[in-house]
Amino acid sequence: DAKTTQPTSMDCAEGRAANLPCNHSTISGNEYVYWYRQIHSQGPQYIIHGLKNNETNEMASLIITEDRKSSTLILPHATLRDTAVYYCIVRVANYGGSQGNLIFGKGTKLSVKP
Amino acid sequence: SAVISQKPSRDICQRGTSLTIQCQVDSQVTMMFWYRQQPGQSLTLIATANQGSEATYESGFVIDKFPISRPNLTFSTLTVSNMSPEDSSIYLCSVEDGTHYEQYFGPGTRLTVT
Repeated sequence: DAKTTQPTSMDCAEGRAANLPCNHSTISGNEYVYWYRQIHSQGPQYIIHGLKNNETNEMASLIITEDRKSSTLILPHATLRDTAVYYCIVRVANYGGSQGNLIFGKGTKLSVKP
Repeated sequence: SAVISQKPSRDICQRGTSLTIQCQVDSQVTMMFWYRQQPGQSLTLIATANQGSEATYESGFVIDKFPISRPNLTFSTLTVSNMSPEDSSIYLCSVEDGTHYEQYFGPGTRLTVT
């Protein structure tokens, strides 16, 4: 079972920031938080990951609370092309171990509206 | 990030037949993964395929039904054997790459069994 809890769906106005929350209250000290998204009819796309510090890349920012029990993915200026299902996953980052497997929950369906 | 292609992109097959799906990566990778995404559902890991060793299957998936080959570091195949309508799904391969073992996904193969 997925170790994360996400809202089923969210709406966001085009051009505004989209803030997607994720709860992972049972996260272990060696587990990272990964975010992926799946645009309709495509394979999942890696977005960003983090351990405990906030992270930013060209796609998004990841804010992780100090106790690491929750996080927020921020898309700073959402566009219609950001409409997708967003998955928050916690996993150990290593080769070969089952703890490193990606376990996908149901994710959050983000709809960006004009 | 690795670029992954899959063949075929889609197929319609008759009950009782088998289909082999190919996954090609543009760089050498150690870990490759096969997932299934049933209609309206999230992704489920079928197996992990390392080059030079037998694939490791997740609970509920068996080698006789989903044989996997991994002949080199850039290629893998998944066969869906003795198909039934319940096997109608999108099948995706992914590879583990990057500093923190991010996974990158292929576009998927949409299989319909009639």
